[in-house]
Amino acid sequence: DIQMTQSPSAMSASVGDRITITCRASQYISNHLDWFQQKPGKAPKRLIYASSTLPSGVPSRFSGRASGTEFNLTISSLQPEDFATYYCLQHNTYPYTFGRGTKLEIK
Amino acid sequence: QVQVQQWGAGLLKPSETLSLTCAVDGGSLGGYYWSWIRQPPGKGLEWIGDVNHSGSTNYNPSLKRRVTISADMSRNQFSLKLNSVTAADTAVYYCTTGWASWGQGILVTVSP
Repeated sequence: DIQMTQSPSAMSASVGDRITITCRASQYISNHLDWFQQKPGKAPKRLIYASSTLPSGVPSRFSGRASGTEFNLTISSLQPEDFATYYCLQHNTYPYTFGRGTKLEIK
Repeated sequence: QVQVQQWGAGLLKPSETLSLTCAVDGGSLGGYYWSWIRQPPGKGLEWIGDVNHSGSTNYNPSLKRRVTISADMSRNQFSLKLNSVTAADTAVYYCTTGWASWGQGILVTVSP
């Protein structure tokens, strides 16, 4: 199975901060990497697909970048509604695998 | 706007079969893979498996012996069955189409 190493596992930040979350794949996955945001009691919401594409309706403060097997999710200016848990997902090779998540908390 | 609804039993006893169904409204099963995901309480997400419009399936090897996923194109529905459940299968189960639209999630608890 492809391992997705996500870091950090948790972080605290302030409104207005710029933060970056990283996922590193144990094997080549092309750009088949999505990012999800999950709030307590809710289903995940896709923020980024194909490593860097924003679906319609996702604010432009979210961005994704890929470099080889390393993928980053950046939030340019944190808003109160962004405090949540974030997951990456590789869907290049079965079985699909998620990162362990990053819990983003208010400082 | 695609809406996904899911339903099924939320309380099972050990050794019983988990059975959940998802239906899509406002879209179609065609052209996507439909996945099932689960999340144990307080933990991360685990991909269970998927099915496409032709009925082709893929399963997580960790669950493959116990899982069956099927699709009913005529009803725009797809289903998950997980046999011989144990307490370790207690989780919120989600369905999703193409990773963009998700069901609301169902907490399935396995308890004697």
